[in-house]
Amino acid sequence: DQQVKQNSPSLSVQEGRISILNCDYTNSMFDYFLWYKKYPAEGPTFLISISSIKDKNEDGRFTVFLNKSAKHLSLHIVPSQPGDSAVYFCAASEGGNMLTFGGGTRLMVKP
Amino acid sequence: GAGVSQSPSNKVTEKGKDVELRCDPISGHTALYWYRQSLGQGLEFLIYFQGNSAPDKSGLPSDRFSAERTGGSVSTLTIQRTQQEDSAVYLCASSRTGNEQFFGPGTRLTVL
Repeated sequence: DQQVKQNSPSLSVQEGRISILNCDYTNSMFDYFLWYKKYPAEGPTFLISISSIKDKNEDGRFTVFLNKSAKHLSLHIVPSQPGDSAVYFCAASEGGNMLTFGGGTRLMVKP
Repeated sequence: GAGVSQSPSNKVTEKGKDVELRCDPISGHTALYWYRQSLGQGLEFLIYFQGNSAPDKSGLPSDRFSAERTGGSVSTLTIQRTQQEDSAVYLCASSRTGNEQFFGPGTRLTVL
């Protein structure tokens, strides 16, 4: 069973607009959530994270929102830039152990 | 500062041969993780080392897979008697806090 799901395999956004990537999880024991960005032939690059004791974390153009009651998190990118085009993975961990990843969402930002 | 490095970047082997994949974590990071990404799949956890504790091997898909971490630093993932389904990108990550994990570039393994 998939404990972390990204239901949208792809997303296309116009440059300058907001990109919203979504992620759902089922394991209520997860206490830390992360977003990674991945380009082809490279390892995932850490973007932003959030602890389960918070509901929002912001870093520049990137904001992660966590809704624990809905077991849902989202990544907002504002404004979107063509260089943001990549595959985005959400991940979750329990007690600082291994990460459980979603299947990824391919973001395409059109100039 | 140097990030996580992995070698080789690409490995092509014949079915039935053994392979060794190497990971050099970020200096000072006590936690080290191995994951793999098969074609069209998400990232799958394999094994986790934390300091001197016994590793968490719960993600290893079969007893053909093993890993060592020497001196709390470099790690080697060994796959014995490789099969075609072992073809994947093998990713190593390290962490200081146990939360944010930083990944290497991966080793692309192709088993013919």
